[in-house]
Amino acid sequence: DAKTTQPPSMDCAEGRAANLPCNHSTISGNEYVYWYRQIHSQGPQYIIHGLKNNETNEMASLIITEDRKSSTLILPHATLRDTAVYYCIVRPWGGNNDMRFGAGTRLTVKP
Amino acid sequence: EPEVTQTPSHQVTQMGQEVILRCVPISNHLYFYWYRQILGQKVEFLVSFYNNEISEKSEIFDDQFSVERPDGSNFTLKIRSTKLEDSAMYFCASSGVSGTGKYYEQYFGPGTRLTVT
Repeated sequence: DAKTTQPPSMDCAEGRAANLPCNHSTISGNEYVYWYRQIHSQGPQYIIHGLKNNETNEMASLIITEDRKSSTLILPHATLRDTAVYYCIVRPWGGNNDMRFGAGTRLTVKP
Repeated sequence: EPEVTQTPSHQVTQMGQEVILRCVPISNHLYFYWYRQILGQKVEFLVSFYNNEISEKSEIFDDQFSVERPDGSNFTLKIRSTKLEDSAMYFCASSGVSGTGKYYEQYFGPGTRLTVT
């Protein structure tokens, strides 16, 4: 039962902003939106998470719509090393809950 | 920056053999997880572990699998009798908790590639 919907693939030019969308129309009030990425066959890497406010860290920004039914991950200046599969995951707050990975979006950053 | 480590990076074993995959979670973390990823497929949750016991497991985590935290630093996944379909990348993850309950994101290790022949 997929809780998020992401486009299977996207391209982005190096140096430009990469905007990765995610739909989570059935999100519950206690669920957060998490973003991870996986570069080739490496372990998934945590990027950012949020509840309802926009969030920013050194890697990315997360924009969550007011109704919380969708979000966008923004990589402000994509580099070739940002080429990866990006996963949007909704998950209740708390350490006991596993991350349920979908197919994600394969982002290819092109020179 | 603290990180999750896993050994070995690659394990080759024959069908029917027992394997133990090892993980050292981030030192102040309290929740530990194992995931697997079959080549070309999505990352799948196997089991979570907290306070020295399994807190949740998926349907994949059958009687062939077991987990253990034998000491204060290691977290292991044992597969008792490996099958060809157990060939996959196995990722360990850990998450912590602060006084504010803030830090619940999971941090993943680099994985162990298990090849069953």
